[in-house]
Amino acid sequence: AAGVIQSPRHLIKEKRETATLKCYPIPRHDTVYWYQQGPGQDPQFLISFYEKMQSDKGSIPDRFSAQQFSDYHSELNMSSLELGDSALYFCASSSLIERDEAFFGQGTRLTVV
Amino acid sequence: AQSVTQLDSHVSVSEGTPVLLRCNYSSSYSPSLFWYVQHPNKGLQLLLKYTSAATLVKGINGFEAEFKKSETSFHLTKPSAHMSDAAEYFCVVSDRSGTYKYIFGTGTRLKVLA
Repeated sequence: AAGVIQSPRHLIKEKRETATLKCYPIPRHDTVYWYQQGPGQDPQFLISFYEKMQSDKGSIPDRFSAQQFSDYHSELNMSSLELGDSALYFCASSSLIERDEAFFGQGTRLTVV
Repeated sequence: AQSVTQLDSHVSVSEGTPVLLRCNYSSSYSPSLFWYVQHPNKGLQLLLKYTSAATLVKGINGFEAEFKKSETSFHLTKPSAHMSDAAEYFCVVSDRSGTYKYIFGTGTRLKVLA
């Protein structure tokens, strides 16, 4: 069965650079969630989209932006990167039929040097 | 507001002995609860989920959890620990009051001693 695909899996950037993370949800899933997991921490909700509209917002820095496109894939854009942005970024998707269960991608590990 | 509290940040057990990882929840709605496991430098793997069906939920790799409304608990158990169970475990509640985003507990690091 198709799963949530995230790309790239690993990314190394320098401070003040920009990064773009991509998420391809399971086919027919209309909702995408982004989470950030810092070293030794639990995942924290960043932002979500439903039917290409932002549906919820968590502790996402103003330097970050995200959107969901017409094919339902989503991109998380991160600018002016800081060392503290180094983390594992997860994307998850869910469908209207089973809103309670979200399926996670394998994550993108971002390292800022 | 919904939240989960994992009562132990670290648990150590000997191989072959039972595992108990504790989680209490707070929810204004009938909750959906999950347990995820994360091995070092890996992604999140769903162990099991409770979504208001049977209160005793069986998951993968011999894990199970019991939903107890009276105690607002959803503890994870396994009869016999294996070395490969050593990992970080997260108790999660779905935010049914809003957009169903997941709210994670702070995690329990399980160590299995030979």
